[in-house]
Parts: sequence; structure tokens; C-alpha cells
Amino acid sequence: DTGVSQDPRHKITKRGQNVTFRCDPISEHNRLYWYRQTLGQGPEFLTYFQNEAQLEKSRLLSDRFSAERPKGSFSTLEIQRTEQGDSAMYLCASSLARRTGDTSTDTQYFGPGTRLTVL
Amino acid sequence: AQKVTQAQTEISVVEKEDVTLDCVYETRDTTYYLFWYKQPPSGELVFLIRRNSFDEQNEISGRYSWNFQKSTSSFNFTITASQVVDSAVYFCALPPQRGDTGRRALTFGSGTRLQVQP
Repeated sequence: DTGVSQDPRHKITKRGQNVTFRCDPISEHNRLYWYRQTLGQGPEFLTYFQNEAQLEKSRLLSDRFSAERPKGSFSTLEIQRTEQGDSAMYLCASSLARRTGDTSTDTQYFGPGTRLTVL
Repeated sequence: AQKVTQAQTEISVVEKEDVTLDCVYETRDTTYYLFWYKQPPSGELVFLIRRNSFDEQNEISGRYSWNFQKSTSSFNFTITASQVVDSAVYFCALPPQRGDTGRRALTFGSGTRLQVQP
């Protein structure tokens, strides 16, 4: 299977703990996105990488959140000191850039998501 | 700011019925793409179609068809002869507007949950 993969698929943690999620994009894709989705809503953008550079962060991404893509391949999203409000599905997507700096033509392919539950 | 509206929160149909999911959008761009994704109970968002605003011809793929009308800013999705496996949440999405330098990702509607009963 050469699609986007995410690990773990489910994570249950206690409030205050740190968690880390991993995303492996489609191998030739140079752009990687993280989204968060809560029940009954569409995905909301968190952050975006072009190769290893993090080019944009949403206001949703508080200081407790950090994302990396060290070699321009897989990415990790870490949440420190988790809160109950962090409970959500965390989705990763990747795309192949058609034009430098312009993401308006990209088709994003999504992974299966990591469902986080903070108790 | 651009916006995607999916006014139908939930639709329930009986198998073999046709069903249309509505999507209305707002954008400043004169040319743009639009997307539909399917999210089955497993959670993964599955890409269905990307459509260019240049092309207003209906797109048909098997039982799926899309009707794009730039004049009314709508991009509706019809499933013909629905099946139980079509049960999912369907999202319409719009890419960032050109010139929105701080905005790189898709804007999604809130989704329409389709339940197809046997």
C-alpha cells in the first residue's frame, strides 16, 4: 500500500501527558499537512510543510503543539501537557506540488487519522 | 475569507434511491479548483474528485456525478442508485485563494452524513 499512513490509529492518554503521532506521506509527495477534526465538523488546518520547512501554522496550533518533518519525509506531531479539549481525530495529508508556493491546485491525499482521547 | 457551506447535515435514503448533496462556496478567485471527499466510518478521507472552474460540464464517474455551476457558486454531488456502501460523511472543499499568503490548506464544509438504508 503506497498511501498515506499514520501511527498510532488510536491513542488514549491522561490529561497532562505528552503524545506524539507519526505520519508517513506518499513517497514522492513534497507537501505534508496536519489537520484536526472534531465530531460533526470538517477538518481544520493545523500546519503545513514543504519538504522539511514548516511554512505555515494555524492559530489552532498552540504552544503545546509542535510538528517536525526532519528529512522532508515522515512528520511527527507532538502535543505536550494534553488537555481534554485536544480530543479529536488528527489527520495527515500529502500532496505533490504542481507550482512552487501555490497550493491551490494540489490534490491532498489523506491518511486514516489518529484518534486521540484525553481522559 | 472564503467559505464552503454544506447545508444538509444528514440525509437518509433507501437503497437504490438517487441522492444529491449540495455544496455552495464563496471565493474571490475567478479560477479555482473544488474538491469532494468521502469519509466512511473508518475515518479516512477518500479523495473523490477535483474540478477546475474553467470546466462547467457535468462530470460522471460510474454512479457518481457532479454538477458545477459557477453562476450560483455551487458544486453538487449526485449518487445514482445509492448503495449501503455509500453511507459516509461527504465533504466539499476549496483550496486557498491566490494572494492569501498566510493560508495554504483546504477549507472544508461541515460535511453531509449520508445514511443509505437497505
